[in-house]
Amino acid sequence: GAVVSQHPSRVICKSGTSVKIECRSLDFQATTMFWYRQFPKKSLMLMATSNEGSKATYEQGVEKDKFLINHASLTLSTLTVTSAHPEDSSFYICSARDSLRNYGYTFGSGTRLTVV
Amino acid sequence: QQQVKQSPQSLIVQKGGISIINCAYENTAFDYFPWYQQFPGKGPALLIAIRPDVSEKKEGRFTISFNKSAKQFSLHIMDSQPGDSATYFCAAVNQAGTALIFGKGTTLSVSS
Repeated sequence: GAVVSQHPSRVICKSGTSVKIECRSLDFQATTMFWYRQFPKKSLMLMATSNEGSKATYEQGVEKDKFLINHASLTLSTLTVTSAHPEDSSFYICSARDSLRNYGYTFGSGTRLTVV
Repeated sequence: QQQVKQSPQSLIVQKGGISIINCAYENTAFDYFPWYQQFPGKGPALLIAIRPDVSEKKEGRFTISFNKSAKQFSLHIMDSQPGDSATYFCAAVNQAGTALIFGKGTTLSVSS
């Protein structure tokens, strides 16, 4: 089945620094990838949709200059949290859509970001 | 506006019992309805999914019932086990397959 690898699983960074999270589709090509943020005991909140070779589409209220998304290839999307602050601490999850299976959404294992 | 409503928010079931989680959607443009299971600190994993042209789908102990006219669907977990304790999300996907909308989730606890 489709596998999505997300790295790192946990990261702690200092305020003001930037952190990059990678999302890779291991056995399929993903024309579209999605980034979610999840607060404790809450549902997943879609942050942005990235399409290979084009700019990401951000959901309302998500700062595109703070959360930089790059989808440079059909198997890799990255989310960079710039100038991180403690309020950015959260669980970030990526999802990739298998272009050969229109409804195939596969999720990564998530990244726990803690900003100190 | 919440497009997928999920209930209950939490559920406690005894081992061997049946767990039932309900969802309702508003947008008739949705035509694929997956259920995801999430354990703490992990990403959601696809559990089972259904298309609206089918009223029921069963995979092992997990069954989805779908009522197109009522725009409702539910997940039934038969013979619930402590290992089923997790958060369950229903979701709906649009016809183009480009948007996946989650319900708010149900935290299931199965007591042994």
